[in-house]
Amino acid sequence: GAGVSQSPRYKVAKRGQDVALRCDPISGHVSLFWYQQALGQGPEFLTYFQNEAQLDKSGLPSDRFFAERPEGSVSTLKIQRTQQEDSAVYLCASSLEGRLSTNEKLFFGSGTQLSVL
Amino acid sequence: QQPVQSPQAVILREGEDAVINCSSSKALYSVHWYRQKHGEAPVFLMILLKGGEQKGHEKISASFNEKKQQSSLYLTASQLSYSGTYFCGTVILIKAAGNKLTFGGGTRVLVKP
Repeated sequence: GAGVSQSPRYKVAKRGQDVALRCDPISGHVSLFWYQQALGQGPEFLTYFQNEAQLDKSGLPSDRFFAERPEGSVSTLKIQRTQQEDSAVYLCASSLEGRLSTNEKLFFGSGTQLSVL
Repeated sequence: QQPVQSPQAVILREGEDAVINCSSSKALYSVHWYRQKHGEAPVFLMILLKGGEQKGHEKISASFNEKKQQSSLYLTASQLSYSGTYFCGTVILIKAAGNKLTFGGGTRVLVKP
């Protein structure tokens, strides 16, 4: 596709429900990142994939958060037993190779706004 | 590890200038700047690498002082379209497997007519 696509755009969940958020990166992009953005804050790193390999998951806040990218393209972020503090915008970004130390930039999706009631 | 941005917010009249600063307590390898409008995806502006270079995008430019571990974004002759939240993202770890961007808390810019 032309850009990074995320779905759903909005998700309302009752506390304790499981949710799955989808990210469709730009075709051919090797690297995929998930960020969590609380209201009025900067994006906070959650996890990073290079192809299907999850190379860094140090930002996942708890074991209720799980991400996968089984075929190296589409990725899913799953949150089990959602809590109110999980309410945030979840942003997905992709880059061609993941060499952020050079001239490579991130392309972001519009995010999924999760509200846990 | 999160970089610190200042100011947190700025209000400008069209045509005025502003400076946004981004400081890190860690040695920086590169700095990225993004702008996000309400409800939209962050959009890339520019990357600055080690070497103290300065770059420009329209009338928006930036500098990177690696000794001071800080970067500054300059909004010159601001336009209404410059309104949004500006984030700096820093890369501090050099790993063969890739690096991650750590973002600051953002600076909200409002340009008024």
